Amino acid sequence: QVQLVQSGAEVKKPGSSVRVSCKASGGTFTTYSFNWVRQAPGQGLEWMGGIVPILGSGNSEQRFQGRVTITADESTRTAYMELSSLISEDTAVYYCAGGDVGSGLDSWGLGTLVTVSS
Amino acid sequence: QAVVTQPSSLSASPGASASLTCTLRSGFNVGTYRIYWYQQKPGSPPQYLLRYKSESDKEQGSGVPSRFSGSKDASANAGILVISGLQSEDEADYYCMIWHSSAWVFGGGTKLTVL
Repeated sequence: QVQLVQSGAEVKKPGSSVRVSCKASGGTFTTYSFNWVRQAPGQGLEWMGGIVPILGSGNSEQRFQGRVTITADESTRTAYMELSSLISEDTAVYYCAGGDVGSGLDSWGLGTLVTVSS
Repeated sequence: QAVVTQPSSLSASPGASASLTCTLRSGFNVGTYRIYWYQQKPGSPPQYLLRYKSESDKEQGSGVPSRFSGSKDASANAGILVISGLQSEDEADYYCMIWHSSAWVFGGGTKLTVL
C-alpha cells in the first residue's frame, strides 16, 4: 500500500496562499490518483480535487475552482495542493488521500492543519 | 439538497449490530454506484473500511474485520454499512463516499456511539 507523508502545519494571513505537499512511497506514482480532502473543525469531509500524474493537470471541485491548484512532481514523488485567497473559513485539516485509478481513496496522510488568522 | 445523506448520529449496544445508511438523492440510482465507507476516530485520518456495489463487486479494506460489511437497500435508494458484534472501539464517525460527475462526494457522516 502507498504511504503518504504530508508537510507540517501552517499559519497564514487572510488573503495569502498556502501550499501543502504529499510525498508518496511505494506504488506506481504516475498512475496513482492523488486527492485533497479537507475537514474544518468539528465538520465532515470535503473533497477539493485530485490529480493522476500521467494524465497531467488536476481537476477540482467547482466551489474551489480558481482558488486551488493541484500538481504532481514525478521526480520527487510528491503531490501538491495550493490554495489561494485564504479566508478564515479555510481553517481546516487538509488530507492527502489516494488510490489506484478506478478505486477509492484507500491511503490517507496524517493531515496538515492550516490555520488562517490575522 | 445534498447528493448523499447520512443520519448525524446512531447509538447501539455492545455486541449488537448497527446499520448505518447512506441515502442518495432522488434521481441518483444507488444501484449504479460503488459506495465507499470510512471510519474516523478523533485526531486521526479516515480509515478505508470497504467498498460495496453488489455481491459481485465489493472489496474489504486491508486488515478490516469481516464484522464490517456492506449492502444496499434499493427501495430506500441507500447504501448500508453493517457492523456486527459491536465493540467499544467501533465508536467513531463513519462516512460514505461515491464517485459522481468526476468528483468524490462524501456524506455528512454518522457519529456512532456504543453504549
